[in-house]
Amino acid sequence: DTEVTQTPKHLVMGMTNKKSLKCEQHMGHRAMYWYKQKAKKPPELMFVYSYEKLSINESVPSRFSPECPNSSLLNLHLHALQPEDSALYLCASSQGAGGGFEQFFGPGTRLTVL
Amino acid sequence: GENVEQHPSTLSVQEGDSAVIKCTYSDSASNYFHWYKQELGKRPQLIIDIRSNVGEKKDQRIAVTLNKTAKHFSLHITETQPEDSAVYFCAASTAGGTSYGKLTFGQGTILTVHP
Repeated sequence: DTEVTQTPKHLVMGMTNKKSLKCEQHMGHRAMYWYKQKAKKPPELMFVYSYEKLSINESVPSRFSPECPNSSLLNLHLHALQPEDSALYLCASSQGAGGGFEQFFGPGTRLTVL
Repeated sequence: GENVEQHPSTLSVQEGDSAVIKCTYSDSASNYFHWYKQELGKRPQLIIDIRSNVGEKKDQRIAVTLNKTAKHFSLHITETQPEDSAVYFCAASTAGGTSYGKLTFGQGTILTVHP
């Protein structure tokens, strides 16, 4: 399996809801990432996990809570989001957490916050 | 931190023409440079990358050149085809240290290839 998968593909939630985004890879990669992408903009890094340990948090608001249950799975828990959080959320993985490793992106979850 | 500027923001070419997109970076510590292609509604995909000790790399119709002194790198696409139409993002990263593979992206170039 050479793909990163994400579920759900689309998610609509109210500002008081709690939801989770899921990401999975079976390539044996040891680094996983969450990005946020607004329309016609580049991906913005949110979190980096290296060997299942949170290594980078790009000053993301606490209403976004990442979790890495094991080396293949990455979750993003959402709570009390704002309409401006509506975006495409991309997960990525790489063999290692270093600049020389290719990052493989998942198809993304398109999130709409009402 | 690193800052990457990308030009042009839009590029329109005729099929068969060449296309060139340029990025300038600020942090001399960056030592890997990447080009991602994102088709409409699809995920970004790496098309080519280069490390700082290499000046040029080619893969069929695409090539990346790097000028470390001037801190810029460019994507060259020859014999463009309609399926090359997409948004192209450049990115810089640093191997080692505490960067953990963080990609700093340029703002993107919308390339349109007209048949």
